[in-house]
Amino acid sequence: EVQLSESGGGLVQPGGSLRLSCTASGFTVDTYAMIWVRQAPGRGLEWVSALSPTRGTTFYADSVKGRFTISRDDSKNTVYLQMNSLRADDTAIYYCAKDRTRRFLEWYFDSWGQGTQVTVSS
Amino acid sequence: DIQMTQSPASLSASVGDRVTITCRASQGIANYLAWIQHKPGMAPRSLIFAASSLQSGVPSRFSGSGSGTDFTLTITSLQPEDFATYYCQQYSAYPPTFGQGTRLEIK
Repeated sequence: EVQLSESGGGLVQPGGSLRLSCTASGFTVDTYAMIWVRQAPGRGLEWVSALSPTRGTTFYADSVKGRFTISRDDSKNTVYLQMNSLRADDTAIYYCAKDRTRRFLEWYFDSWGQGTQVTVSS
Repeated sequence: DIQMTQSPASLSASVGDRVTITCRASQGIANYLAWIQHKPGMAPRSLIFAASSLQSGVPSRFSGSGSGTDFTLTITSLQPEDFATYYCQQYSAYPPTFGQGTRLEIK
């Protein structure tokens, strides 16, 4: 059974940093693309970042480009989202998700985690 | 970016009702359309991909249709666990984009 578990969220001041983790079970993160999606208070879902499975190509929404970095540790079967220079509008629940297609970034996400809350406030 | 517009924004219905949610893309996306169910405090749940293909484990009362720019999600015989917010998402072009959501509430 595929499971995704996020951690690392919390309260941080503007300009600060956080590293989110997404630990997977039931599959290996080096064979499927992994994605981060967020939901700000009162808003809908917004794609944030993706990591392709084979070449490890990274993708970022314009709103986070240059501030966020996605990576993975295959030995821990975990994907990370390093968030720097955080702003108030980064406040959201952050979800990790798994792409459906093995070894290919299809951009359809068939499994999701329960999310971790990030609050940026002074 | 491709804009996804859902209607209605909210909908009240009763258990046993049949409901339809629509999603329109700002340009043609063939059938690269997914539907996602989301309840507060829970993991989002993908229901449908390729506009009409049911994700494994999703009840058959959920169905999707459409191609190009206009899509629908239909839920027949609403169950109590179906009251949630529903999002469409296109994955035809980068970046992937979501609709603003349709909140399905109990009447």
